[in-house]
This record gives sequence, structure tokens and C-alpha cells, in this order.
Amino acid sequence: GQQLNQSPQSMFIQEGEDVSMNCTSSSIFNTWLWYKQEPGEGPVLLIALYKAGELTSNGRLTAQFGITRKDSFLNISASIPSDVGIYFCAGQKETSGSRLTFGEGTQLTVNP
Amino acid sequence: DSGVTQTPKHLITATGQRVTLRCSPRSGDLSVYWYQQSLDQGLQFLIQYYNGEERAKGNILERFSAQQFPDLHSELNLSSLELGDSALYFCASRAGTRPTNEQFFGPGTRLTVL
Repeated sequence: GQQLNQSPQSMFIQEGEDVSMNCTSSSIFNTWLWYKQEPGEGPVLLIALYKAGELTSNGRLTAQFGITRKDSFLNISASIPSDVGIYFCAGQKETSGSRLTFGEGTQLTVNP
Repeated sequence: DSGVTQTPKHLITATGQRVTLRCSPRSGDLSVYWYQQSLDQGLQFLIQYYNGEERAKGNILERFSAQQFPDLHSELNLSSLELGDSALYFCASRAGTRPTNEQFFGPGTRLTVL
């Protein structure tokens, strides 16, 4: 099935560093969502974006909805050990209620 | 805690068997989505129900079926199981009203087919 291109696939960083990851698609999405998944758990919603160009923050996390509607970016500032996990982007094509298309995920490891 | 519950947490069964996975959405949410997460395919949409009716189908095999009951809980039925069906199965729920498109995921059911 269709997936979004998410990069990088994995990141190994030191505590305190900033992190950036992105998601691109060949088609337009009307909503972008960012999730975090930890081992043995379901994805947890971090940020939702609804408008092209929108920049939204949630604590140390900031995400942007690309102006072309074909990409999105997630930044984590001043990383801490509990940021460890897999981060997924997800796009939604219709205006509401439709399926999510997921990226392959970015595995983040934070060394204390 | 997302408010979405799934049972069982783990399921181990043999090839050819049939299993039922259960999901209770967040209170008041009308939409339920089922996703499969496997190592080689990632997170893939299977099927969506809205207020008891099937709304959309994704990469769902004919051996799989689902339904949503009047109390809004949903069940995913997997039959004639094969080794390749081993995966994590998640359900997610969404409120029935705009503007939110946010889907909230349950903890998942890990299915192992031996």
C-alpha cells in the first residue's frame, strides 16, 4: 500500500541536541499528523496540522505543514532520554474522517 | 491513556484458525478504524466503520472481516490464519464531528500465528 517517505530512518543523538525529521509524498494531503510509538504500545498523537504553512508546537515539539501540502516536518528541541521511540508521520487526504497513510517511521535513540 | 481499549493484548494461535479482536472506542467517538502493523509493511489501514456502517476499506484480505455494534464497539475477525498474518493490530477512534481529524489509537493486539 501507499506510504509516505519519511526520513531519516533512524537517529542516534546526545541528550540536549535538537532533532529534525520530515515526511514527503507525491500527492497532496489535507491533514498531517505526527505520532510517537513506544515498544508494546499504540501510536500516541503528538501534533495535528490542518492548514498549508501551519506551524504548531506542543512543548518541545514543533511541526509544520508544508506549503505544497506534500510534506511535513517535525522538530524536537533539547532532546531528553524519554524522547526515545519511533516517530510516525501520517497524512489524511479527504477533509475529514478518512484513513491515515503512514510514513515508515523514524527510530530515535537519545544517549544520556 | 488514549481512552481506546483493545482486547486481548496478546494472542497466539495456529495456522488455519480463526480469531476475534475487540475494540472499544473513546466515549462518544463514532468512527472506528483498524490498522495492521507488520515489520515489512509498516502501518496499513484495513477498514473503517462509522456509527455501525462500513465506511471505507483498505488493504484488508477477504479472510478478514469486521463489524461495529450498536454500542459502538468493534470486532475484527481473522480467519484461515496464515503465518504472514502475525502482526500488531490496532484500532483507532475519532469523534464524529468536525473539525478534528485526529485518530486516537488503542494499545493494540499482538497476534502470533504458529
